[in-house]
Amino acid sequence: KNQVEQSPQSLIILEGKNCTLQCNYTVSPFSNLRWYKQDTGRGPVSLTIMTFSENTKSNGRYTATLDADTKQSSLHITASQLSDSASYICVVSVSSGTYKYIFGTGTRLKVLA
Amino acid sequence: EAGVAQSPRYKIIEKRQSVAFWCNPISGHATLYWYQQILGQGPKLLIQFQNNGVVDDSQLPKDRFSAERLKGVDSTLKIQPAKLEDSAVYLCASSLLDNYGYTFGSGTRLTVV
Repeated sequence: KNQVEQSPQSLIILEGKNCTLQCNYTVSPFSNLRWYKQDTGRGPVSLTIMTFSENTKSNGRYTATLDADTKQSSLHITASQLSDSASYICVVSVSSGTYKYIFGTGTRLKVLA
Repeated sequence: EAGVAQSPRYKIIEKRQSVAFWCNPISGHATLYWYQQILGQGPKLLIQFQNNGVVDDSQLPKDRFSAERLKGVDSTLKIQPAKLEDSAVYLCASSLLDNYGYTFGSGTRLTVV
């Protein structure tokens, strides 16, 4: 069964600190992995997208890693800001005829001043 | 490039009433998705269109939900009659046939009272 699991479920950190979010997946056949940031009540906004051959991708203070062998990904946020408070969703794409997207349940991040 | 447009932004209705949501995907995107996202959960795929044909509607509650994409461009999602448990954010996303450009709209927040 295709599954995407994220941890932790929620996280509280102080402004300026770094944090790392985890995503483990059991998906086949794998196409790509995406990280999204979602503010409450808004649509998800793409942060990074990685294919099988990529193991690191950065977008400003966000750095995603992918280990296709262990089927794990992480999202590292550097020097967190109050505006980073949001849910972060890991989405894995499956290619089997048409493309399907398997969503994790997200990590809710709260950055405190 | 214009993003995925959704309207209305918010909607409050009483149970047993009907409601419709509209989505205009990014120009040239053949694939369109409707998702339901209940608070605290990841998005759940309701229906996936490829041009104006349905690719996957296995999780669409067809007794009350319907969707169409008549000219292969914009799409409407309807709920009739609404139930309290339909309260959620309804997200529309679109992508090119080859999976690239997968982008979400801002969503419609539905509250059923």
